[in-house]
Amino acid sequence: DIQMTQSPSSLSASVGDRVTITCRASQGIRNDLGWYQLEPGKAPKRLIYEASSLQIGVPSRFSGSGSGTEFTLTISSLQPEDFATYYCLQHNSYPPSFGGGTKVEIK
Amino acid sequence: VPLVESGGGLVQPGRSLRLSCIGSGFTFGDYAMSWFRQAPGKGLEWLAFIRSKAYGGTTEYAASVKGRFTISRDDSRSIAYLQMNSLKTEDTALYFCCRGGIRIPKPDYWGQGTQVTVSS
Repeated sequence: DIQMTQSPSSLSASVGDRVTITCRASQGIRNDLGWYQLEPGKAPKRLIYEASSLQIGVPSRFSGSGSGTEFTLTISSLQPEDFATYYCLQHNSYPPSFGGGTKVEIK
Repeated sequence: VPLVESGGGLVQPGRSLRLSCIGSGFTFGDYAMSWFRQAPGKGLEWLAFIRSKAYGGTTEYAASVKGRFTISRDDSRSIAYLQMNSLKTEDTALYFCCRGGIRIPKPDYWGQGTQVTVSS
């Protein structure tokens, strides 16, 4: 099974800050990775697919990069509505697996 | 692309529950469907996947639920189901359905989830 190691598990940031979240795969997964935003009481939302493609309707301050084993989600200028928990998901091989999540909190 | 889950609730250990996920605003039969869950204070976990009829309608399961959970679909009603048998207290979680993928789940849209609590 592929293990996804996500860091940090939490971070405190201010509105306007640049935020970077990383996922590392235990083996190469090409670009078979998505990033998701979870907020309590809301449907999870896909932000990025295929590691670097922006989901339609998602603000351009979100971006993804990486391939193989190292992946990054960047929020270029944190907005109030971005305080949430973020997960990466690999869909290269079974079973699909998530990183442990990153909770982004207000500083 | 609304997906709406239902069927959750409080159930005793060892009992069964069937979750439903109704899709609207898209051609349901063209898409694979999945179920995921999030236990209290935990991360996300994939559970089950059913391909579209065009790809055989075949299914895949996580080891943690294989043999106990069954995913199915009724494309005429735009509904995906998750039949959960022999429930355990560790199955307590918020259950989500999702759309997307061909060979493997690649969810693009999710529902808001339905809560399942397994307790005596």
